[in-house]
Amino acid sequence: DQQVKQNSPSLSVQEGRISILNCDYTNSMFDYFLWYKKYPAEGPTFLISISSIKDKNEDGRFTVFLNKSAKHLSLHIVPSQPGDSAVYFCAASSGSTSYGKLTFGQGTILTVHP
Amino acid sequence: NAGVTQTPKFQVLKTGQSMTLQCAQDMNHEYMSWYRQDPGMGLRLIHYSVGAGITDQGEVPNGYNVSRSTTEDFPLRLLSAAPSQTSVYFCASSYHTGPGGYTFGSGTRLTVV
Repeated sequence: DQQVKQNSPSLSVQEGRISILNCDYTNSMFDYFLWYKKYPAEGPTFLISISSIKDKNEDGRFTVFLNKSAKHLSLHIVPSQPGDSAVYFCAASSGSTSYGKLTFGQGTILTVHP
Repeated sequence: NAGVTQTPKFQVLKTGQSMTLQCAQDMNHEYMSWYRQDPGMGLRLIHYSVGAGITDQGEVPNGYNVSRSTTEDFPLRLLSAAPSQTSVYFCASSYHTGPGGYTFGSGTRLTVV
């Protein structure tokens, strides 16, 4: 039973345009959400996070939106750059009780074309 | 400051063999965990630890053992390797009580034949 789902295996965008990566979750106990970025042959790198008490968090070109009623979050990258090409994982945690245990989605491969 | 160091980077085992994947961090992080990454499955939690002497099971613990005798080290032991354990293994550590600060190692690619 996949509690965190990324239904798009891949996404292709043009440099300078917006990239939107989506993630859905089913466990209503999740209260902290994160996005990680992963290059080949490297470990995931933390990108941005959001607590369930917020609906938006920005960090430079990256913005995460959370819709709790729909159990949906999205990552917006504006403008997209070729160096953003990587696999993006969303992850969730019931932070207050789980000691930081993360449940990951399957990942979305983002390709940004020059 | 090396961060999270995993050894070896690559390993081939025969079915039934045992081995230990090493993980060390030099950031004095309290929390450490092991994940495996399989195609189409994302990363799944195997075992985790909230401090020296304290470990617990994650989502897919069967076939793996862990111990945490020091803050720095968190080895993962495969007791009797099976082809289903062919995967990429990542160790991660965090200083914070929340999950946002997790730092991952570069991974160990394990093949069981």
